[in-house]
Parts: sequence; structure tokens; C-alpha cells
Amino acid sequence: SQQGEEDPQALSIQEGENATMNCSYKTSINNLQWYRQNSGRGLVHLILIRSNEREKHSGRLRVTLDTSKKSSSLLITASRAADTASYFCATGEGSNYKLTFGKGTLLTVNP
Amino acid sequence: IAGITQAPTSQILAAGRRMTLRCTQDMRHNAMYWYRQDLGLGLRLIHYSNTAGTTGKGEVPDGYSVSRANTDDFPLTLASAVPSQTSVYFCASSDSTGGRDEAFFGQGTRLTVV
Repeated sequence: SQQGEEDPQALSIQEGENATMNCSYKTSINNLQWYRQNSGRGLVHLILIRSNEREKHSGRLRVTLDTSKKSSSLLITASRAADTASYFCATGEGSNYKLTFGKGTLLTVNP
Repeated sequence: IAGITQAPTSQILAAGRRMTLRCTQDMRHNAMYWYRQDLGLGLRLIHYSNTAGTTGKGEVPDGYSVSRANTDDFPLTLASAVPSQTSVYFCASSDSTGGRDEAFFGQGTRLTVV
């Protein structure tokens, strides 16, 4: 089964609003990453947070990690129509560099 | 331009035929991955490789094989294709030894098995 599970599966908001997506995982991790995928394209890396970090920022992105709850959240502030995409969390496990993904959250930002 | 290249971009394949999906990266990344993406199921890891000469099984390895003869290439072979292997396949690579870990993805191969 997949390591990460995103919640919600789909999210629709208005431009300017904030979008929050959550990810839960099952086993110990080295790091957790968030990726974005535009329709029909490959995935693009957004941000990585290591297991010893609790929060990280990059532009309009804010990621938190709670290893005790095995969960992470991605916050996109002041959303834009161009943020419409699918967002995936991925976890890096152990020394095998195994990188597994969840099923993703489809974010729609309405103009 | 540095990056990761997949070929072909799309293919229609008769069931029972053998097919190799090609993946090449020029970033000297140690780790490479193959995923399949199906609607509602996200990305599922098929096989991965930590370094040239080693490979490992992911979540859905059955019906697929890989090899890693050198750092740059990581081909995925379907020995005898079945319709359930109809999917979009993504190859990715990452520099795990350097501590960066972020994965770079190819543009995908859309495979239809009929």
C-alpha cells in the first residue's frame, strides 16, 4: 500500500484564499516532500522537510511536519488561478532512498 | 539542457508484446525510479535503483523488470504486456547521496495495451 495519503482528495477555493492540504504516512521517514503536477505533465518538486524539522517556508508555501502524528501539511497562501494543479506528498524512507507518493490532492483555484 | 528524458512519449502496444521504456538522465544522480500513474491511484512505485548495479522492488513490481548498467540509464521492460499495464509511466532521479533528495521527473510515457 502507498506510504502517504493526502487529504482532501479535492479542494476548490477562490483566488486570494489560502489552501491547506494534509498528508499522513505510516512508517519512519528521513524526509517528506511536496510536489505539484499540472495536468498531463511530470511532477515538479516544491519543498522538502527533514524528519528533524518542524516547519519550513518557501515563498507562499509553508510546510509543517509532526513526526509523532506521522502527518504533514502544505499551506499555500494568497492562492492564484495558476496554482490549480494536483499536489502530492512523498516520503523518503531509510537508506534505500525509496521515494513513495500518495494519491494527491486536486486543487482548483477559481478566478 | 540537463534533465531527464523518457522515450517514447506515447505508445500503443498489442497485448503479449515486449516493450522497453527508456529513461536517461544527465545529472549524475545516484537514485532513479519508475512510477505508474493511474486515475484515482496517484503514483505507485514500480522499481527503483540506489546506484548503478543495484535495483529494488517498489509497490507494484509484478510484470516489470529494470536494469541499471550505468548511472545515466534506467530502462523499464514489460516482458509480455497486458491491458492492466495501460498507464502513464514516469521516470525520476534524485541525488540522495548529496543530501538533496528532491526528485526530478521526466515528462512521462503514455502506454496503451490493447
